[in-house]
Amino acid sequence: DADVTQTPRNRITKTGKRIMLECSQTKGHDRMYWYRQDPGLGLRLIYYSFDVKDINKGEISDGYSVSRQAQAKFSLSLESAIPNQTALYFCATLGRLDNEQFFGPGTRLTVL
Amino acid sequence: RKEVEQDPGPFNVPEGATVAFNCTYSNSASQSFFWYRQDCRKEPKLLMSVYSSGNEDGRFTAQLNRASQYISLLIRDSKLSDSATYLCVVIVTDSWGKFQFGAGTQVVVTP
Repeated sequence: DADVTQTPRNRITKTGKRIMLECSQTKGHDRMYWYRQDPGLGLRLIYYSFDVKDINKGEISDGYSVSRQAQAKFSLSLESAIPNQTALYFCATLGRLDNEQFFGPGTRLTVL
Repeated sequence: RKEVEQDPGPFNVPEGATVAFNCTYSNSASQSFFWYRQDCRKEPKLLMSVYSSGNEDGRFTAQLNRASQYISLLIRDSKLSDSATYLCVVIVTDSWGKFQFGAGTQVVVTP
């Protein structure tokens, strides 16, 4: 079974809709991240959390919010989706003693 | 200016040949460096860390040049399975736990 899972894997929605992307991990890692990937821009950090009570904005947090429901779960919400939020979204984890991030399989989101 | 820059490629490489490419970073406080591999439409995965003295992992060699602020990756005896996008990743000293990603260099190994 995958250590980091994301749901849904693909989603098509309309402008103005609220969308939630979910991430779960079985690695026991404290640190979790949400990134978006756009062609030619690489991965950009949206939000990150170092533990359940610690949530921080990344470089492109506008239009997004997150919830760390438990150590194993980190959700990303788009309160009112807009077309330029069409992208591939990745969740990732990091252990305290590691430098290796472990990524989920990604969610491909299309906002029409 | 992007914090981490890479030549997007593609680098078209005959099977068995050697390919090398660089990544430049702008923040001199950068302290940890990595190469990740990303296959098309898949998640990135760690290929190797990059150490100050340079390091090798099989056919892959990574180098760090702090003076000129770049890291490099060399792939020897390229295999078809090496076709992927290679992401340069940097951690800055005062932003521990925050990874900065380059946009990636695409490598295409041809028969």
